[in-house]
Amino acid sequence: EVVLTQSPATLSLSPGERATLSCRASQSVNTNLAWYQQKPGQAPRLLIYDASNRAPGIPARFSGSGSGTDFTLTITSLEPADFAVYYCQQRSNWPPIFSFGPGTKVDIK
Amino acid sequence: EVQLVESGGGLVQPGRSLRLSCATSGFTFDDYTMHWVRQFPGKGLEWVSSISWNSAKITYADSVKGRFTISRDNAKNSLYLQMDSLRTEDTALYYCAKQFILGSTRHDAFDVWGQGTVVAVSS
Repeated sequence: EVVLTQSPATLSLSPGERATLSCRASQSVNTNLAWYQQKPGQAPRLLIYDASNRAPGIPARFSGSGSGTDFTLTITSLEPADFAVYYCQQRSNWPPIFSFGPGTKVDIK
Repeated sequence: EVQLVESGGGLVQPGRSLRLSCATSGFTFDDYTMHWVRQFPGKGLEWVSSISWNSAKITYADSVKGRFTISRDNAKNSLYLQMDSLRTEDTALYYCAKQFILGSTRHDAFDVWGQGTVVAVSS
């Protein structure tokens, strides 16, 4: 079973700064990785699919990169609306199951 | 507008059963694999189960295998989760979510989520 770990657990930054979030898989998931944003009281929102593709309607300041076991979500210039929790998610081929990382909280410094 | 609306949550004693429903609208339901994902109080997300468009492929997380049953009714555009032998550790907010399809390509991600229904298991 693929286990995802995310770092750091919390990232304290100011608006306008660059955020770099990491997601590491216990074994290769190729590029089968997605990123989500979740704000309090809301359902998760899909940001990135297939490791590096922005979902429809997602601003260009969000970008994803990586393949295999190491992935990064970058937010180039944080806006107030970006302070939230971010999760990575993968689907493994066998067993054919999904898993999420524990999340990274981006909060205001 | 694509909508997913969960219902059926509540407070239940350990060992009892509950059936969750997810009513959908705004998209061709029987084109999509559907999923249940749960979120533990104050914590992260856990995928629970998936069902393909024609119910031919069904998968479960190990934590619920043998206790939960996913199903769908394409005529009613609805998804279900029958939860039996509930445990205190099943306490969570349960979301239904739809598969992300772009063009004709199916992706292993969830692009639309409901607002969730709360399941609390306690004596």
